[in-house]
Amino acid sequence: SQTIHQWPATLVQPVGSPLSLECTVEGTSNPNLYWYRQAAGRGLQLLFYSVGIGQISSEVPQNLSASRPQDRQFILSSKKLLLSDSGFYLCAWSGFGFMNTEAFFGQGTRLTVV
Amino acid sequence: DAKTTQPPSMDCAEGRAANLPCNHSTISGNEYVYWYRQIHSQGPQYIIHGLKNNETNEMASLIITEDRKSSTLILPHATLRDTAVYYCIVRVVNSGGYQKVTFGTGTKLQVIP
Repeated sequence: SQTIHQWPATLVQPVGSPLSLECTVEGTSNPNLYWYRQAAGRGLQLLFYSVGIGQISSEVPQNLSASRPQDRQFILSSKKLLLSDSGFYLCAWSGFGFMNTEAFFGQGTRLTVV
Repeated sequence: DAKTTQPPSMDCAEGRAANLPCNHSTISGNEYVYWYRQIHSQGPQYIIHGLKNNETNEMASLIITEDRKSSTLILPHATLRDTAVYYCIVRVVNSGGYQKVTFGTGTKLQVIP
């Protein structure tokens, strides 16, 4: 069966420090991968999605970047964190193409920038 | 993307049916209606999806109107563990043939003992 792993679960980082959040998927190949952010009391905002290795699409301009070095690995990064980067970050995967598939989410990383 | 509109919050008595509405008046013919829920500080959980017909699984039922402009998620016997934010979304397939999933703010369902 497919599983998605996301770590760390919680993170407290000072302003200006770098960030690296990692997400890996097992049990499937060539998944679509997504990074979402959820600010306190807000809905889920799509940050990045990827349909393959090295293919990243950004949904909103921001201080973050994403990379997909391997088929089932998705990394969210920042060179210098801002206070506004605080939030709950979720990684997700879904099947490819026009198939009627659902998305599966990791358990999230709660990032607090201080 | 077809946008969805949901009430921000609802209450439901434990053991009663919870009926969560969603409007998606601009949905196109090839877009499915999906429901997810998110329990506090966890990742969203898939509940159910449908295109035209009503659907039922072990978690819930989905009723889609004939014109597909709205739907209702039904939790037949709500329990305290069903307290969560419920998201109604429609799936977007872009020109590249892949999907992205965009969420709104959802409905916060509070099940009351």
